[in-house]
Amino acid sequence: DIQMTQSPSSVSASVGDRVTITCRASQGVSSWLAWYQQKPGKAPKLLIYATSILQGGVPSRFSGSGSGTDFTLTISSLQPEDSGTYYCQQANSFPYTFGQGTELAIK
Amino acid sequence: EVQLVESGGGLAQPGGSLRLSCAASGFIFSTYNMNWVRQAPGKGLQWISYIGSATNDIYYANSVRGRFTVSRDNAKNSLYLQMSSLRDEDTALYYCATYSSGSLDHWGQGTLVTVSS
Repeated sequence: DIQMTQSPSSVSASVGDRVTITCRASQGVSSWLAWYQQKPGKAPKLLIYATSILQGGVPSRFSGSGSGTDFTLTISSLQPEDSGTYYCQQANSFPYTFGQGTELAIK
Repeated sequence: EVQLVESGGGLAQPGGSLRLSCAASGFIFSTYNMNWVRQAPGKGLQWISYIGSATNDIYYANSVRGRFTVSRDNAKNSLYLQMSSLRDEDTALYYCATYSSGSLDHWGQGTLVTVSS
């Protein structure tokens, strides 16, 4: 199975900050990497798929990059509503796997 | 608008069985590959099963293979997860989700399964 490791596990940042979350795969996943945001008590929401394609309706301050084994989610200017837990997920091969999550808090 | 509504969760004893359902609307269900994902209380997301649009492709996580069975009824716009030989560690919120371009783009609100004696 492909293991997905996110860092950091938690981060606290101020409104307007640039925030970067990384996701490393234990083996190459090509570009089959997606990012999700989850708020407490809610279902996950797709932010980015195929490494860098923004899901419809997602603000342009979110962006994704990477390839192979190393990927990044960047929030260019943090907003209060961006708090929550972020997960990466690979769909290169079954079983699909998620990262352990990164909790993002607003200072 | 895409809607996915899970049901069938509840309390089950270890070794018991439950059948989850996911009712789909707002899209052509028969053309979408579907997934089940679960989340134990306070924990992260765990993918557990995938079924192709025509049921020709089925995959499971190692932790549920041989105990869980995914199926679908395209005529009823419904996805199912038959769970048997339940264990304490199967306690979780179970989500169904559509698959698109390597991602899970629409999710239901989940149904809670609690395994306890």
